Amino acid sequence: EAQVTQNPRYLITVTGKKLTVTCSQNMNHEYMSWYRQDPGLGLRQIYYSMNVEVTDKGDVPEGYKVSRKEKRNFPLILESPSPNQTSLYFCASGWGRVDSPLHFGNGTRLTVT
Amino acid sequence: QKEVEQNSGPLSVPEGAIASLNCTYSDRGSQSFFWYRQYSGKSPELIMSIYSNGDKEDGRFTAQLNKASQYVSLLIRDSQPSDSATYLCAVNIRNSGNTPLVFGKGTRLSVIA
Repeated sequence: EAQVTQNPRYLITVTGKKLTVTCSQNMNHEYMSWYRQDPGLGLRQIYYSMNVEVTDKGDVPEGYKVSRKEKRNFPLILESPSPNQTSLYFCASGWGRVDSPLHFGNGTRLTVT
Repeated sequence: QKEVEQNSGPLSVPEGAIASLNCTYSDRGSQSFFWYRQYSGKSPELIMSIYSNGDKEDGRFTAQLNKASQYVSLLIRDSQPSDSATYLCAVNIRNSGNTPLVFGKGTRLSVIA
């Protein structure tokens, strides 16, 4: 089954404790992206990747890191989480062409206390 | 000017009625348009894509595109309570920098039984 898999689904952590949210897709998509979604603010892009070893900042990259060592994986790293990073996070993938939709993972609800 | 705009709602319609959701966009050269449905706390799910002016029907859903007026609509016929969700419009915006698709903030639809 074609899918984007994120883990974990739920995560509660404390300020400053490094964490990684994993994202994997099995569709051989070149484009992958991370979004956060907060009430009233819609989807905001954190980082994106056009291909292996190619990553770039989105609209809200501060406090986040990513890597793209393999085509299928695009982990999101929070080196020192803060409470303002409490949010619902989505990973998405696609072909990166103008006619291509994005396919979303199931989401990760992160709470930083 | 916001690149993709949607009325946030909520849009309330009675069960069995037609729900009409609208989206306007800023780039006259946009070529691809997508509608996603998002239930509360869940990931966006692609329900329709449209690329040419006119109507495209899929079951109870009809997407309408008018490139001259720069708007795209989603009609839901025979609305059901299970259609209650937030509907996101996504458009490929040239020179958006970050992403092949730009998302609106979504319109919340409530279907009243």
